[in-house]
Amino acid sequence: EVQLVESGGGLVQPGRSLRLSCTASGFTFGDYAISWVRQAPGKGLEWVGFIRSKAYRGTTEYAASVKGRFTISRDDSKSIAYLQMNSLKTEDTAVYYCTRDLHISGYYGMDVWGQGTTVTVSS
Amino acid sequence: DIQMTQSPSSLSASVGDRVTITCRASQSISSYLNWYQQKPGKAPKFLIYAASSLQSGVPSRFSGSGSGTDFTLTISSLQPEDFATYYCQQSYNTPWTFGQGTKVEIK
Repeated sequence: EVQLVESGGGLVQPGRSLRLSCTASGFTFGDYAISWVRQAPGKGLEWVGFIRSKAYRGTTEYAASVKGRFTISRDDSKSIAYLQMNSLKTEDTAVYYCTRDLHISGYYGMDVWGQGTTVTVSS
Repeated sequence: DIQMTQSPSSLSASVGDRVTITCRASQSISSYLNWYQQKPGKAPKFLIYAASSLQSGVPSRFSGSGSGTDFTLTISSLQPEDFATYYCQQSYNTPWTFGQGTKVEIK
């Protein structure tokens, strides 16, 4: 079964750091880009960023709201993607999802989603 | 950044109704448009990519159309399991952006 499982969420104080993990199974992890998407309580979806596959040099892109504070990385040998979150703000409070980015004929779509992990930034 | 605007923000419909949701991009995105369904407390589900291509396993009552700036998601005959929030998302360029969502509620 194709699956993504996030972990590492929790309660953290403003200004502190947290690292989320996304563990994949059921597919060749290294062949896919991985995105992170978040959803603040009662709000819509916000794309956080992605990391391309090694075939595309594993480069990353980020939303402006997290650029310079968040870093996405991957370990293809372990089928895990990471979201390192530094200098956390209260507005980073959200459920964080990792997704597999399907690439079909030049079109991208987030076809597999994890169950999400909750990050609460509060003093 | 490309802004995605959905309408309506919510709608009430009955089982069996035909439902149409509109998504408008702030600039042309060709056909780089995806649709997702999200139920309360659950992760989103991928429905449609490239504006009109149905993801594997998605019922054929769902369809998408449009190109450029204007897109629609149509549910031909609403089923009880379709009551959810629907999001459009552009993958034309980064940052990828979502519409604000359309909540489909039971009438």
